[in-house]
Amino acid sequence: EVQLVETGGGLIQPGGSLRLSCAASGFTVSTNYMSWVRQAPGKGLEWVSVIYSGGSTYYADSVKGRLTISRDNSKNTLYLQINSLRAEDTAVYYCARVYISRGRAFDIWGQGTMVTVSS
Amino acid sequence: DIQMTQSPSSLSASVGDRVTITCRASQSISNYLNWYQEKPGKAPKLLIYAASSLQSGVPSRFSGSGSGTDFTLTISSLQPEDFATYYCQQSYNTYTFGQGTKLEIK
Repeated sequence: EVQLVETGGGLIQPGGSLRLSCAASGFTVSTNYMSWVRQAPGKGLEWVSVIYSGGSTYYADSVKGRLTISRDNSKNTLYLQINSLRAEDTAVYYCARVYISRGRAFDIWGQGTMVTVSS
Repeated sequence: DIQMTQSPSSLSASVGDRVTITCRASQSISNYLNWYQEKPGKAPKLLIYAASSLQSGVPSRFSGSGSGTDFTLTISSLQPEDFATYYCQQSYNTYTFGQGTKLEIK
């Protein structure tokens, strides 16, 4: 079965760091584009970051410099490192597969992991 | 950055109604426009990719059209399970989502 499972969320104090994981099954992370999307409570979807199969990475301007997307090919897992956490980073974080041949749409999504930044 | 503007932000309709949601890009994005459905507590679901292609398993009452800067999502006959929030997304230059359209029962 093709699926994504995110882990690593939780309650973090402002200024802290966190690494989210997204384990894939049924397909290979390294041969696909993979992305992170977040949704703050009561708000819309916000694209955060993407990593291409060749390794290039891109970020939304709102998070540039604080977030790092990466992958571990041996574990078939995608990561998102978030540093200098702020209250506005509070959100559900989703990982998603980018279907390159279908308009670069996000065809597979994980269930999400909640990150709460609060003292 | 490419901005995406959806309208309306919310919409009330009845089962059986035909509904149209509009999405406008701040610059031409060719047909790199996708539509998603989101229900509370669940991950978004891809409905339409490349402006007008129906994702596998999505009912045919959903359709998309447009190119360049103006796009529409149409639901031909609303079903109870269609009441949800809908987002457009441009995938022409990285990604941007519209602000969402909440479809509610009248």
